[in-house]
Amino acid sequence: GESVGLHLPTLSVQEGDNSIINCAYSNSASDYFIWYKQESGKGPQFIIDIRSNMDKRQGQRVTVLLNKTVKHLSLQIAATQPGDSAVYFCAHGNQGGKLIFGQGTELSVKP
Amino acid sequence: GAVVSQHPSRVICKSGTSVKIECRSLDFQATTMFWYRQFPKKSLMLMATSNEGSKATYEQGVEKDKFLINHASLTLSTLTVTSAHPEDSSFYICSAAEPLAGGSIEQFFGPGTRLTVL
Repeated sequence: GESVGLHLPTLSVQEGDNSIINCAYSNSASDYFIWYKQESGKGPQFIIDIRSNMDKRQGQRVTVLLNKTVKHLSLQIAATQPGDSAVYFCAHGNQGGKLIFGQGTELSVKP
Repeated sequence: GAVVSQHPSRVICKSGTSVKIECRSLDFQATTMFWYRQFPKKSLMLMATSNEGSKATYEQGVEKDKFLINHASLTLSTLTVTSAHPEDSSFYICSAAEPLAGGSIEQFFGPGTRLTVL
């Protein structure tokens, strides 16, 4: 069945370093992929998305890479800051609008 | 960006009582809203899809008589946890969807409701 999962449950980085969070998915029919940031006790916050016909998309300090050959998605955060500490989820969706979430990676930024 | 609110933000109730959670889209009309459940240190699990004016579509394993969903208007959906038990304690999150060009939709998430059943 459909699934979206993450390779690592936790990631610790030094402030100022770049962070890379990975995600694997199994449904090759997904139309788009989204990265969300969730802080403790809050709802998910949209970070960036990428459509299935793209390989890379950049935002402010974030880049999402999509490798459809190996069904792999990554989120790169440049110059990681303490405010980036949160749980990051990848999710995939289709035209129907339903989102399937991955398991999440908890990012900790050390000062 | 679009704003979605949830009320209450947290609720504590006794076992056997029912609890209603509201989800509102504040600055746009949402024909579709989604309800998720999240356990500590876990991912969001989709419970049901709610379309305005029609019955909700529940995911496999979600009891529709336990989790009553009503989407009476384009800006309000409610989730009622009936006869709540301690195992229903969880973080409930809604999202409201806005259609985009090309047929896809974008989901905007509420801040969540923490339910604790004693």
